[in-house]
Amino acid sequence: LAKTTQPISMDSYEGQEVNITCSHNNIATNDYITWYQQFPSQGPRFIIQGYKTKVTNEVASLFIPADRKSSTLSLPRVSLSDTAVYYCLVGAINSGNTPLVFGKGTRLSVIA
Amino acid sequence: DVKVTQSSRYLVKRTGEKVFLECVQDMDHENMFWYRQDPGLGLRLIYFSYDVKMKEKGDIPEGYSVSREKKERFSLILESASTNQTSMYLCASSPLGQGDEQYFGPGTRLTVT
Repeated sequence: LAKTTQPISMDSYEGQEVNITCSHNNIATNDYITWYQQFPSQGPRFIIQGYKTKVTNEVASLFIPADRKSSTLSLPRVSLSDTAVYYCLVGAINSGNTPLVFGKGTRLSVIA
Repeated sequence: DVKVTQSSRYLVKRTGEKVFLECVQDMDHENMFWYRQDPGLGLRLIYFSYDVKMKEKGDIPEGYSVSREKKERFSLILESASTNQTSMYLCASSPLGQGDEQYFGPGTRLTVT
């Protein structure tokens, strides 16, 4: 399983764009990149998933360079409610029974 | 919407007690997972199951066992609870392989005294 590395914590002011980068140097050809968000006292929830280039949904964008050795989760104009822990995971979809590994995540604090 | 429910939000047990944590999902998912989460350590996988009566050890299975007799239900068992098992326990389910989206329950905060 590809190991991921992401910053332990980040701070941002309300209204700013936040970019959280995840490194996954040994990503495999069939691996997708998935991000989860976790609020205090809740289970993580899926944010976005991608394979290459750029993916955008109503919540975030995911940028993946050509070599796929890293990825960046972009949160546009964050608000206080975006304060959470964000996890980056890498693994193949519909392939085998070994689950993805959640790391320690990045704790984002949004300041008014 | 996918729903994953856990039997209790908060639970207090005494050292040495046998503890059952129940998880039920309503989306006919093949995979189910049990994690524990502790401050500064992220989520750590205890056990997972990819089919009825099948189970696989995760990263920290010691002191735990699991049971999956029906597809929708996955139980975590602490045979003899200890204080170092005080933690937040999270159950999740997913439809297929390792990259598929996992849906999490609300968690059970277990305190062992």
